[in-house]
Amino acid sequence: EPEVTQTPSHQVTQMGQEVILRCVPISNHLYFYWYRQILGQKVEFLVSFYNNEISEKSEIFDDQFSVERPDGSNFTLKIRSTKLEDSAMYFCASSGGQANTEAFFGQGTRLTVV
Amino acid sequence: GESVGLHLPTLSVQEGDNSIINCAYSNSASDYFIWYKQESGKGPQFIIDIRSNMDKRQGQRVTVLLNKTVKHLSLQIAATQPGDSAVYFCAENRAGRRALTFGSGTRLQVQP
Repeated sequence: EPEVTQTPSHQVTQMGQEVILRCVPISNHLYFYWYRQILGQKVEFLVSFYNNEISEKSEIFDDQFSVERPDGSNFTLKIRSTKLEDSAMYFCASSGGQANTEAFFGQGTRLTVV
Repeated sequence: GESVGLHLPTLSVQEGDNSIINCAYSNSASDYFIWYKQESGKGPQFIIDIRSNMDKRQGQRVTVLLNKTVKHLSLQIAATQPGDSAVYFCAENRAGRRALTFGSGTRLQVQP
């Protein structure tokens, strides 16, 4: 069964450092997403990406964040200068081209900023 | 403000019983709803979805009910099993958007 894969599973970084979280969406999907979940809280939308550009973003997705699809398979989230409050689980998801179809989530990357 | 929320933070049921998890939403423009299951340390896993032109949809052991009049969504799990223990989130999106808005989650605990 096709799945969304994320690497690494756990990333520890020092405050102020840049991190790149990587995702391989399901191969025939057209929409890609990043969500985050702070420990014990609900899942929050960050950004959606379609046709090589951002289609939606939330207030959380400020200038410290960027996304990229560097090749035909990877989708990355970069945080330029991490803050303590960026510590969370980051989930990548993808969905097909039709409207109102379910998004499939990866297993997440746990980011710990120290 | 706009929100999708859950009534009960924790639900404890006996194995074999039916479970009902509830969710309220506030935006009448919401037109697509999904239930996700999240096990500890894992990503949300799709369970079932429903569009706003329906009021009921059934899957394997699960049923989702949508009441648009009172903006209420429920997930019914028949013959609950220990493997159903997880946090359940409702999520919605609105016409023209792809972003999902998640509720705050209900933890389902199945007692053997």
